[in-house]
Amino acid sequence: GEDVEQSLFLSVREGDSSVINCTYTDSSSTYLYWYKQEPGAGLQLLTYIFSNMDMKQDQRLTVLLNKKDKHLSLRIADTQTGDSAIYFCAESIRYSSASKIIFGSGTRLSIRP
Amino acid sequence: GAVVSQHPSRVICKSGTSVKIECRSLDFQATTMFWYRQFPKQSLMLMATSNEGSKATYEQGVEKDKFLINHASLTLSTLTVTSAHPEDSSFYICSAREALGNTIYFGEGSWLTVV
Repeated sequence: GEDVEQSLFLSVREGDSSVINCTYTDSSSTYLYWYKQEPGAGLQLLTYIFSNMDMKQDQRLTVLLNKKDKHLSLRIADTQTGDSAIYFCAESIRYSSASKIIFGSGTRLSIRP
Repeated sequence: GAVVSQHPSRVICKSGTSVKIECRSLDFQATTMFWYRQFPKQSLMLMATSNEGSKATYEQGVEKDKFLINHASLTLSTLTVTSAHPEDSSFYICSAREALGNTIYFGEGSWLTVV
């Protein structure tokens, strides 16, 4: 089946690193994404990783992919108050000649002073 | 970067009427567009996948006669909620995948309130 799971909440202190974890079930994933959603807003693509990669770094963001365990994580270094949002993990799955994206439930990241 | 525009961003309609939401890729061609629905404090639920020039593929449980999707060109897909009911009130988001790549970009979303 197609399922993407995330923990619902994460609270970190300002300046610390945040690590948001995600697990997925479909081994045919081609791309895995991290999206950010601020209150009342749409989705913002943060980063993505191809399924044959282990790691991708983009400024404060580091994505780690363990394909064997079907585990994806997003690390935000030096977390700031502006990072408060819901973070969605998503996987792109190919079926027939098309593909679709399945989202996790989202992890609400809150920053404490 | 690539931009996906959704219109309207907010709409209020009366029960029984139909409302159309547009999704446009502004600076790229999108062969595939996706429509999602988000209930309060919940994740995005994929409603349907539309490919330019062909019929949309609906996810299980989504009424295709109620949520009409048209993808008439490489830059425009529309979602029409027919005979709207208060239970259809939700946040609808579209996304578009570049024809030449695999990156998917999302629109800002449309808040639909049916009264």
